Amino acid sequence: EIVLTQSPGTLSLSPGERATLSCRASQSVSSSYLAWYQQKPGQAPRLLIYGASSRATGIPDRFSGSGSGTDFTLTISRLEPEDFAVYYCQQYGSPTENTFGQGTKLEIK
Amino acid sequence: EVQLVESGGVVVQPGGSLRLSCAASGFTFDDYTMHWVRQAPGKGLEWVSLISWDGASTYYADSVKGRFTISRDNSKNSLYLQMNSLRTEDTALYYCAKDGSSSSLFDYWGQGTLVTVSS
Repeated sequence: EIVLTQSPGTLSLSPGERATLSCRASQSVSSSYLAWYQQKPGQAPRLLIYGASSRATGIPDRFSGSGSGTDFTLTISRLEPEDFAVYYCQQYGSPTENTFGQGTKLEIK
Repeated sequence: EVQLVESGGVVVQPGGSLRLSCAASGFTFDDYTMHWVRQAPGKGLEWVSLISWDGASTYYADSVKGRFTISRDNSKNSLYLQMNSLRTEDTALYYCAKDGSSSSLFDYWGQGTLVTVSS
């Protein structure tokens, strides 16, 4: 089973700043089947990025994903107040290879 | 607009059983694989189970294998999760999720239904 480790656990930034979130896999993620989700308090997760770098429908272009192999990054170029949330990475691609990272909490500084 | 509405979550004693339901609308339900994903209070996300578009294939996380059964009724646009031999560690918010690519990519989620296993 591929283990995903997200860092940092908590990131404290101010609106307007740039956020960089990391997701590291214990083994190479095939075909860049790496996704990112955003979860706000009391809400369901929302798909942001799939295929490591493709934005899901309706996601603002301040969100971008990059990486391959075992190292992936979610970047939010200029933080808006609504971006403060918990972010999860997920490796997908087959029924038996489907795991989430433990999450990074992005909080207002 | 895609909508997924879960129901059936309650407080149940350890060893008990429960059936969760998910009503889907806004898309062609029988074209898509569907999943259950859970989140224990204050914790991260854990995939639970999936069922193929036709119900012919099902998969389970090791933590629920042999205790949970996923099913669907395409005539009713509904997904189900039968949960038996419940344990305290099954306490969680259970989400129904649509698979956008038949590869366990969750493009739409419901709001979840809370299952509490406690004596």
